[in-house]
Amino acid sequence: GAVVSQHPSWVICKSGTSVKIECRSLDFQATTMFWYRQFPKQSLMLMATSNEGSKATYEQGVEKDKFLINHASLTLSTLTVTSAHPEDSSFYICSAHRTGENTEAFFGQGTRLTVV
Amino acid sequence: DAKTTQPTSMDCAEGRAANLPCNHSTISGNEYVYWYRQIHSQGPQYIIHGLKNNETNEMASLIITEDRKSSTLILPHATLRDTAVYYCIVRVTGTASKLTFGTGTRLQVTL
Repeated sequence: GAVVSQHPSWVICKSGTSVKIECRSLDFQATTMFWYRQFPKQSLMLMATSNEGSKATYEQGVEKDKFLINHASLTLSTLTVTSAHPEDSSFYICSAHRTGENTEAFFGQGTRLTVV
Repeated sequence: DAKTTQPTSMDCAEGRAANLPCNHSTISGNEYVYWYRQIHSQGPQYIIHGLKNNETNEMASLIITEDRKSSTLILPHATLRDTAVYYCIVRVTGTASKLTFGTGTRLQVTL
């Protein structure tokens, strides 16, 4: 199956700093990628849809100025958590679909963010 | 996307078949049924999907009722490594549509 890689797998940062998470499709092109957040013992919640070459679409209640998304190529999308606070501590997961196909989504392994 | 209903948790003995049900009574004609699972602290993993016919792959079988209002994921010989949260999701056809995750079923496989 197709591979989606996230980096880093885990990160600890201080309050007020920014953290960038990368999501790469290693063996296929992905026009669209999705970013999810998952708090402990809860399900995945969609944050935003990342579209290559255009602005991301954010779900209601997700601050676009706090969670910056860049999708500059067909294989890379980045999520930057700006001015992180402890309440931003969570498990962040990306997914990607092969361009032009209505197939399954391929997920990254997730990034555990801890803000101290 | 249609809403799904799954039991909160299930247990299964290792080596036995695990049958995970899902209700999706409001599914539309152009919506597929997808199953994913999430092992602790990992990203979800695709298992199988179908429209109206039963499907089988190397991981599992998917049985969809004739009226498409419910389905069952079958893991024929569960192992300890199958312990995970299993999500049943229905989504419209079309390219790269988003997935809406419910609470899923926590499957515990025991010795």
